[in-house]
Amino acid sequence: DGGITQSPKYLFRKEGQNVTLSCEQNLNHDAMYWYRQDPGQGLRLIYYSQIVNDFQKGDIAEGYSVSREKKESFPLTVTSAQKNPTAFYLCASSLEGPLENTGELFFGEGSRLTVL
Amino acid sequence: GESVGLHLPTLSVQEGDNSIINCAYSNSASDYFIWYKQESGKGPQFIIDIRSNMDKRQGQRVTVLLNKTVKHLSLQIAATQPGDSAVYFCAENMPGTYKYIFGTGTRLKVLA
Repeated sequence: DGGITQSPKYLFRKEGQNVTLSCEQNLNHDAMYWYRQDPGQGLRLIYYSQIVNDFQKGDIAEGYSVSREKKESFPLTVTSAQKNPTAFYLCASSLEGPLENTGELFFGEGSRLTVL
Repeated sequence: GESVGLHLPTLSVQEGDNSIINCAYSNSASDYFIWYKQESGKGPQFIIDIRSNMDKRQGQRVTVLLNKTVKHLSLQIAATQPGDSAVYFCAENMPGTYKYIFGTGTRLKVLA
């Protein structure tokens, strides 16, 4: 079945550690996104990528990094520079890129990161 | 600043009744809107979308209404069922941008 797979579902991190969240999609979508979800707030964009080997900062990119070496994969690294990393992280993809016709965002099931 | 907000943070309805969830958007240039359903601990699921050239769109048991004059979006769920219990939020998108703006969500509770 086509979809977006995020892993791990739950992750615990000690302060000062970097962690990488995986996002894989088999929908053949060009655009991929990472959002952060905190209680009582709307989703906030961390990074997005329209095509392979290209990505752009979103509204809250500080302390995060991404790569887009393959169309199917868009991993997110939460670095030790992120001061408040505990959150629910959502990966999404869309058929067309953000500067083309806007389309539905398909979301993964999320990864919950907790800093101990 | 830009914002998408919901009037009611929690909505409780009796099973079988109709539900109406509202959303106000602030950017008149937005031309695409989506409603998502999110169950606890899961990713958002697409429910229905609408473009700004339409006022109404219907799906299975759901209807989205768009009032561009007052920048208001609503989601109507017919014959609400226990499985409809979740958080619902709207999203807006401006043409030619990557930027989706998401509301904070309304929790729908279906009472048996």
